[in-house]
Amino acid sequence: GESVGLHLPTLSVQEGDNSIINCAYSNSASDYFIWYKQESGKGPQFIIDIRSNMDKRQGQRVTVLLNKTVKHLSLQIAATQPGDSAVYFCAERGQGGKLIFGQGTELSVKP
Amino acid sequence: GAVVSQHPSRVICKSGTSVKIECRSLDFQATTMFWYRQFPKQSLMLMATSNEGSKATYEQGVEKDKFLINHASLTLSTLTVTSAHPEDSSFYICSARDEGSGGTTDTQYFGPGTRLTVL
Repeated sequence: GESVGLHLPTLSVQEGDNSIINCAYSNSASDYFIWYKQESGKGPQFIIDIRSNMDKRQGQRVTVLLNKTVKHLSLQIAATQPGDSAVYFCAERGQGGKLIFGQGTELSVKP
Repeated sequence: GAVVSQHPSRVICKSGTSVKIECRSLDFQATTMFWYRQFPKQSLMLMATSNEGSKATYEQGVEKDKFLINHASLTLSTLTVTSAHPEDSSFYICSARDEGSGGTTDTQYFGPGTRLTVL
């Protein structure tokens, strides 16, 4: 079946460094991917999305890269701040608009 | 930006009672809403797709008679956990899809979640 997975369950970085969170997906037909940030006890917050006809998209301090050849998605956070500490999920849009979430990566930023 | 609210944010109930959770899109209309549950340190698992004016579509393994979904208007979907048991204790999150404004993002916006504890 469809699945979206992450390579690293936890990531610890120093404040000011760049963070890279990775995600692998299995459905080569997927055409839309989203990254969400979830803080403890809260709902997921949209960060950035990308369609399959693109390989890179930039936002404010964040960049998403899509490699369709190896079915890999990554989220890059520049100059990571303590407020970036959270769990990050990638999601893949499936049939009927349903989102299929990866397992999540917990990002911890050390001051 | 689009805002989705949930009520209540937290509920504690006794085993055997029913609990209703509301999900509202505050500044956009949503013909489609989604309900997820999330256990600690785990990912979100889709329970069902709520369709305005029609029956919800449930994911495999989710009991439709236990998790009643009603989507009576374009801004409100409700999830009722019937005869709740301790194993139903979880974080329930809804999302609403913003399909309007002729945009192409088709983005889902999530509510803040409802923490259900069944004693």
